[in-house]
Amino acid sequence: GAVVSQHPSWVICKSGTSVKIECRSLDFQATTMFWYRQFPKQSLMLMATSNEGSKATYEQGVEKDKFLINHASLTLSTLTVTSAHPEDSSFYICSARDLEGTDTQYFGPGTRLTVL
Amino acid sequence: AQRVTQPEKLLSVFKGAPVELKCNYSYSGSPELFWYVQYSRQRLQLLLRHISRESIKGFTADLNKGETSFHLKKPFAQEEDSAMYYCALRGQGNTPLVFGKGTRLSVIA
Repeated sequence: GAVVSQHPSWVICKSGTSVKIECRSLDFQATTMFWYRQFPKQSLMLMATSNEGSKATYEQGVEKDKFLINHASLTLSTLTVTSAHPEDSSFYICSARDLEGTDTQYFGPGTRLTVL
Repeated sequence: AQRVTQPEKLLSVFKGAPVELKCNYSYSGSPELFWYVQYSRQRLQLLLRHISRESIKGFTADLNKGETSFHLKKPFAQEEDSAMYYCALRGQGNTPLVFGKGTRLSVIA
């Protein structure tokens, strides 16, 4: 069945550095992918909608210059956390909707980011 | 505005007892409603959606437009049902899912 993969599954970085997280849809093409953030024991909060070939749409309160999103192909979206700070430490989850197939929104396994 | 409310953070039931996880929503149009489940150390996965009107792992959920509810029910809980359950809403068009805060179900042997 349709699967969404994320890489890396976890990353530790120093404050001030940038981190790139990849999200791939396997077995289906996704013109739209979604990036969520999940704090410990809390729900998923939508950060942005990633659109293939165009600019991402950010939710209110999410800094677009801090969280750069690129959706270069129908199967790949990347989230780059720029100049990371400890408060950016979180679990980042991507999701893609299989519009042509099951019309189900599938989720990646998540990436745990720890900023020291 | 879209909003999903799950009033219970934690629900503990004994094995074999009935389970009902509550979900209420607000949306001005005709939404799609979903239940997602997250087992320990696993990714979020779709449990069921209201348009399918099917039973998955013994769980059912009926959309009640009058009460704007989409409660998840199972007549006899099993230990393997212990997980985090999220109710989610999707508006019209290619829009993202909006999640409730989730309910942790703990089934006690």
